[in-house]
Amino acid sequence: DAGVTQSPTHLIKTRGQQVTLRCSPKSGHDTVSWYQQALGQGPQFIFQYYEEEERQRGNFPDRFSGHQFPNYSSELNVNALLLGDSALYLCASSLEGGATSTDTQYFGPGTRLTVL
Amino acid sequence: AQSVSQHNHHVILSEAASLELGCNYSYGGTVNLFWYVQYPGQHLQLLLKYFSGDPLVKGIKGFEAEFIKSKFSFNLRKPSVQWSDTAEYFCAALEGGYNKLIFGAGTRLAVHP
Repeated sequence: DAGVTQSPTHLIKTRGQQVTLRCSPKSGHDTVSWYQQALGQGPQFIFQYYEEEERQRGNFPDRFSGHQFPNYSSELNVNALLLGDSALYLCASSLEGGATSTDTQYFGPGTRLTVL
Repeated sequence: AQSVSQHNHHVILSEAASLELGCNYSYGGTVNLFWYVQYPGQHLQLLLKYFSGDPLVKGIKGFEAEFIKSKFSFNLRKPSVQWSDTAEYFCAALEGGYNKLIFGAGTRLAVHP
């Protein structure tokens, strides 16, 4: 049973560039959430995708956008990169259980983004 | 909005010592709480979770946590730590109806042999 996978593992970009991170959910899961974990901090919720739509968003600017594909995999896009975007980006998958879903989220290994 | 506080940022223990990591949440209604662990070089893994029922929750690897509603707390405990417990521990709470996790800042635990 494959767990959550993310690619790439590491990425180095320069300010102003754009980046795309990818996530494949755990087998059987249909919901993908993205988190940003800055150095020394806990993960912060960016947004969540279900049925190919963004249905909840944290306090992140519009430079952060995403997409979910019919096979439930997801992408996170960040435009106009800033130095402060350097962080570990985590993808988590879960199984939707309705409007009050409390299913456990399983996390991937993350993508380490460095912005120079 | 929900917030989660972990007051111990760094904890250093010797093997066989007892462990208690503090976690406090802010929202007083129905709350779902989690402890995740991140071992060096590995991804976040679920240790245990509380949704309802018995406030003493047992998780993997001998960890347990106690939900105390009157204190807004969900502290993690282990009676005897091992060197392999060296990791970063995160407390988290669900916010809203769509499975959005709010994390604390984490506690870095170092266990010396």
